[in-house]
Amino acid sequence: DGGITQSPKYLFRKEGQNVTLSCEQNLNHDAMYWYRQDPGQGLRLIYYSQIVNDFQKGDIAEGYSVSREKKESFPLTVTSAQKNPTAFYLCASSIGQGPGQPQHFGDGTRLSIL
Amino acid sequence: GQQVMQIPQYQHVQEGEDFTTYCNSSTTLSNIQWYKQRPGGHPVFLIQLVKSGEVKKQKRLTFQFGEAKKNSSLHITATQTTDVGTYFCAVGGKLIFGQGTELSVKP
Repeated sequence: DGGITQSPKYLFRKEGQNVTLSCEQNLNHDAMYWYRQDPGQGLRLIYYSQIVNDFQKGDIAEGYSVSREKKESFPLTVTSAQKNPTAFYLCASSIGQGPGQPQHFGDGTRLSIL
Repeated sequence: GQQVMQIPQYQHVQEGEDFTTYCNSSTTLSNIQWYKQRPGGHPVFLIQLVKSGEVKKQKRLTFQFGEAKKNSSLHITATQTTDVGTYFCAVGGKLIFGQGTELSVKP
């Protein structure tokens, strides 16, 4: 089945530690996205990538980093510079970026601070 | 940047009652998408509207795009417990999401 796989489902971070969230898709989509969701809020865009080896900052990129070395993979690193990382992180993909491209989401990763 | 306001934030209804959520923008939109997120789940694409005044139906769900393409609504007729979740509108190329309307349905 085609889809988006995020791992792990739950992740705990210690103070001063970097952690990496995995996102893999086998939909052959060009565009991939990372969102952060906090309780009672909508999804906020962290980073997005339209094509391999290229990515752009979203609205809340500070304290995060990404890479796009393969079309299928778009990992997100939450660095120690992100002072409030506890949230639900969602990865998504679409065929391309432009009006009219529905996004397909993974099941998400819940990150908490120890 | 582009923003979209969604109201209400919460809606509690008795099963069988109708439900409506609204999405408003200060700028003209090229298109608008609607998503549903079940509790503990991830957003799932429902529909996209692109034409001024467009109305689309999916069973008990009716989606409308305003004539000026600055607002949209999602209406659910005779809600069921399976409708529980948060409904989001989203606009733009890389998608800016509204804050969502959380719907709870009392059996």
